[in-house]
Amino acid sequence: TQLLEQSPQFLSIQEGENLTVYCNSSSVFSSLQWYRQEPGEGPVLLVTVVTGGEVKKLKRLTFQFGDARKDSSLHITAAQPGDTGLYLCAGEKGKGAQKLVFGQGTRLTINP
Amino acid sequence: DAGVTQSPTHLIKTRGQHVTLRCSPISGHKSVSWYQQVLGQGPQFIFQYYEKEERGRGNFPDRFSARQFPNYSSELNVNALLLGDSALYLCASSSLLGGYEQYFGPGTRLTVT
Repeated sequence: TQLLEQSPQFLSIQEGENLTVYCNSSSVFSSLQWYRQEPGEGPVLLVTVVTGGEVKKLKRLTFQFGDARKDSSLHITAAQPGDTGLYLCAGEKGKGAQKLVFGQGTRLTINP
Repeated sequence: DAGVTQSPTHLIKTRGQHVTLRCSPISGHKSVSWYQQVLGQGPQFIFQYYEKEERGRGNFPDRFSARQFPNYSSELNVNALLLGDSALYLCASSSLLGGYEQYFGPGTRLTVT
């Protein structure tokens, strides 16, 4: 059973289009992180959201944490080929918890 | 500043053998966590060590063990390797106890034949 469900699992769009990736759970998380992973490399931390309803922006990427801290979304505006990669959400259960729980990832391909 | 480093980068082993993977955290980080990432899936938590003590363990068999040294580097050991142990093994370090803002190394790709 996947504690964090990401959708879609695969997404292929043209350069310049907008997209949204979702990360959903029935569990409450004290914080949620988004990572991007390139083939053969480890995940790179993009952002951490902590407060319910929080919105963070990183250039063309907008991250939102749900009010109930059970879900999150990643929106990319005007996608570029350099955005191609595996996007992972990961939740921390409880303050000072001992582990991150990852979703299965969204493989994003931006075609020139 | 050096990030998290892992060695070796790639490894091929035979079923039944054992393997030791190594990780050096970011300077100043005292927490090291290990994750297994099977192809096509997200990472799964194996262990966390903080100040040389095990602070968390995931749902993995006793064939998996780890330890942390006084310099905060860490080793992951896997005995009696199975084909299903083939995966990317990731090490992550953080300055705080717990999963908040973990920084990952490049991983060790283990192939069991």
